[in-house]
Amino acid sequence: DVKVTQSSRYLVKRTGEKVFLECVQDMDHENMFWYRQDPGLGLRLIYFSYDVKMKEKGDIPEGYSVSREKKERFSLILESASTNQTSMYLCASSTFSGRASGWYFGPGTRLTVL
Amino acid sequence: QKEVEQNSGPLSVPEGAIASLNCTYSDRGSQSFFWYRQYSGKSPELIMFIYSNGDKEDGRFTAQLNKASQYVSLLIRDSQPSDSATYLCAVNRGGSNYKLTFGKGTLLTVNP
Repeated sequence: DVKVTQSSRYLVKRTGEKVFLECVQDMDHENMFWYRQDPGLGLRLIYFSYDVKMKEKGDIPEGYSVSREKKERFSLILESASTNQTSMYLCASSTFSGRASGWYFGPGTRLTVL
Repeated sequence: QKEVEQNSGPLSVPEGAIASLNCTYSDRGSQSFFWYRQYSGKSPELIMFIYSNGDKEDGRFTAQLNKASQYVSLLIRDSQPSDSATYLCAVNRGGSNYKLTFGKGTLLTVNP
């Protein structure tokens, strides 16, 4: 089974703090993604990475950065957290490999910025 | 025009019935199509994917794809209360395009 884990299930931070969200996958997938999910807006892609040290902006990259130093680990960084970044953050990894093809999500981190 | 459209629901069906969930997409270049189930407060869980026109069955689930009509659907046979969740349709262009575009989901309620 594909396993994607995220460092925290719930996180509360103050406005202006630097926030690190970490994601680890154990299936040797090349591609990793960070989404946020908000009521009424659905899932929106923040950043993705198709290889170590490679990154591409998604639909809403403003206020975020990412780091991928190892294949299995993909970090999302909020440089200076703001209240409008309160959301559910979902990490995913993906493969196109026969029956296992698809995007696989971690359990999510519910971030509250006060 | 939204890229991936789903009826938000709620879709309510009795236990044991067939639930039919529909999705349309705007990008004719789309190559692969995914259905996810998401329980409240949880992350999306992959149910199945389909690439080719026609039907694909996996247990109680059947995905149907019609690329000419830009339409993909998910049928759930013998619906159970445990199937009550939001179902997300997602579309990928394939090739070197890594983007998976999601619909906003349809809330399904299966009544005992």
